Amino acid sequence: QKEVEQDPGPLSVPEGAIVSLNCTYSNSAFQYFMWYRQYSRKGPELLMYTYSSGNKEDGRFTAQVDKSSKYISLFIRDSQPSDSATYLCAMSWYTGNQFYFGTGTSLTVIP
Amino acid sequence: ETGVTQSPTHLIKTRGQQVTLRCSSQSGHNTVSWYQQALGQGPQFIFQYYREEENGRGNFPPRFSGLQFPNYSSELNVNALELDDSALYLCASSSYRDSSYNEQFFGPGTRLTVL
Repeated sequence: QKEVEQDPGPLSVPEGAIVSLNCTYSNSAFQYFMWYRQYSRKGPELLMYTYSSGNKEDGRFTAQVDKSSKYISLFIRDSQPSDSATYLCAMSWYTGNQFYFGTGTSLTVIP
Repeated sequence: ETGVTQSPTHLIKTRGQQVTLRCSSQSGHNTVSWYQQALGQGPQFIFQYYREEENGRGNFPPRFSGLQFPNYSSELNVNALELDDSALYLCASSSYRDSSYNEQFFGPGTRLTVL
């Protein structure tokens, strides 16, 4: 079993839609949960991070962590064509530690 | 502030050869992590260097080795290249100080093709 599972998609939505991206994990020791965005041929770019359980909002993006279910989500409101990218979830045990990534979900927002 | 840079951008090698990839960390960062990202997969942790010492290693064989220099830049060396080593190699730098969260900033990666 992989440490982190993520549906690879691809996911295609119309502009303005709400997008929901999800990951599950098996290691209950994970405490830091991150979402990265990766455009084609570029390095991952941090979008959101959350420590332990709870919600965090930043503009159009909301990250949710449910440690009891070992489930994390990223919601994108009012999606834009510029949001088209691969979204990677990542998690770690403590700060500075190695990150465990999901496989990434490919998202296309159609104008 | 200069971001993370990696060189070269692309590289083609043949099986059995050796390769060295380079990374310059972001200004003020003292920790460098290397990841391998195969096509259609998420990055896989190779190892991390902190203050010129290896500070954690993923499930990669010893033919993957690294160095960190006093200016915190880093090298990834891979010996006896195999076809499965073809991937995007990502370097991430961060600042490891006290117990506060430190973001890992990724470079653009080096795309290695092994023929």
